[in-house]
Amino acid sequence: DIQMTQSPSSLSASVGDSVTLTCRASQSISAYLNWYQQKPGQAPRPLIHGVSSLQPGVPSRFSGSASPSGTDFTLTISSLQPEDFATYYCQQTYSNPRTFGQGTKVEIK
Amino acid sequence: QVHLMQSGFEVKKPGSSVKVSCKASEVTFSKFQITWVRQAPGQGLEWMGGIIPVYGTKIYAQKLQGRVAFTADASTTTVYMELSSLRSDDTAVYYCARGDVHLDYWGQGAPVTVSS
Repeated sequence: DIQMTQSPSSLSASVGDSVTLTCRASQSISAYLNWYQQKPGQAPRPLIHGVSSLQPGVPSRFSGSASPSGTDFTLTISSLQPEDFATYYCQQTYSNPRTFGQGTKVEIK
Repeated sequence: QVHLMQSGFEVKKPGSSVKVSCKASEVTFSKFQITWVRQAPGQGLEWMGGIIPVYGTKIYAQKLQGRVAFTADASTTTVYMELSSLRSDDTAVYYCARGDVHLDYWGQGAPVTVSS
């Protein structure tokens, strides 16, 4: 199984800050990397698929990128807004089982 | 419009089974895979597998193989997830979602509590 490791596990930031979340795969997954946002008591919300393609309706302050190795991925939120405080999960869909990272919780400083 | 409407809260005894439903729109049912994901309290997301309703093709997470079954009813465009031999660590919110490579719409989740 491909292991997905997210870092940090949590971070504190202020409204207006720019934050970068990292997701590392245990092997190359090409561009089969998605990001989801989840708030307490809600279903996950798809943000980005295929490394960098924004889901319709997702603000442009969210962006995704990948290293050439196909193992390291980042989600950047520029200018954090109050509604962005949530837990973010990455998921690889390169092979079965489609594994998720353990999540990064973005909290208000 | 895409809708995935799931069944409600369930409380089950250890060793019993639970069957969670996910009613999909006709377009979703006929064209997409339905993937199941669960989330234990305070934990992350766990992929359980999926079913392509129009073909009946299924894939299951190896961890759950033998205890989980996905089925689909075309007459009601509803997909079902049945989990048997329930244990306390099966307590979770069970989500259905549209897609495979990309999960673009999610149901609201169905909480299942396993307790004696």
